Amino acid sequence: DVKVTQSSRYLVKRTGEKVFLECVQDMDHENMFWYRQDPGLGLRLIYFSYDVKMKEKGDIPEGYSVSREKKERFSLILESASTNQTSMYLCASSAPREQYFGPGTRLTVT
Amino acid sequence: AQSVTQLGSHVSVSEGALVLLRCNYSSSVPPYLFWYVQYPNQGLQLLLKYTSAATLVKGINGFEAEFKKSETSFHLTKPSAHMSDAAEYFCAVRKGGGADGLTFGKGTHLIIQP
Repeated sequence: DVKVTQSSRYLVKRTGEKVFLECVQDMDHENMFWYRQDPGLGLRLIYFSYDVKMKEKGDIPEGYSVSREKKERFSLILESASTNQTSMYLCASSAPREQYFGPGTRLTVT
Repeated sequence: AQSVTQLGSHVSVSEGALVLLRCNYSSSVPPYLFWYVQYPNQGLQLLLKYTSAATLVKGINGFEAEFKKSETSFHLTKPSAHMSDAAEYFCAVRKGGGADGLTFGKGTHLIIQP
């Protein structure tokens, strides 16, 4: 079974803090993704990575950066958290023709 | 660019009734299409996928979907709703290229009435 894990289920941070969201997959997948999910908007792609140290912007990259130093780990970074980044964040990794999702991190920025 | 439209943000059906969740897509390349389900406080689980093989795709939990190119649709159906089907359902299309991620619809919340 493919397993995608995220470091936290719930996270509360203050405005201006630097925030790290961690994602680990155990299936040696090359491609990994970060999405954010908001009510009424579905999921939107923030960034993705197709190899170690490689990254590409998705549809809404502003205010975010990513890091992929090892194949199994993909980190999402909020350099200076803002209240409009309060959301559910979902990580995914993909085999050909299918993406596997982690359980999500619900981030609240106050 | 690829896009997905899900008709109806909320759909309510009676237990035992037919479930029909609508999805229309736009794609400049032959589409790969997916339906995901999300139960409360959980991540997304793949229900089924269309990858250019059979147009009628069977998934888990008794769900199926039919790819209709002429209508650019990929509607999800289940003959008889169960209370455990209450969840959020997302239709998605692959952006194109293996690493490009998915474009999701806005989701449909399925409510099952007893």
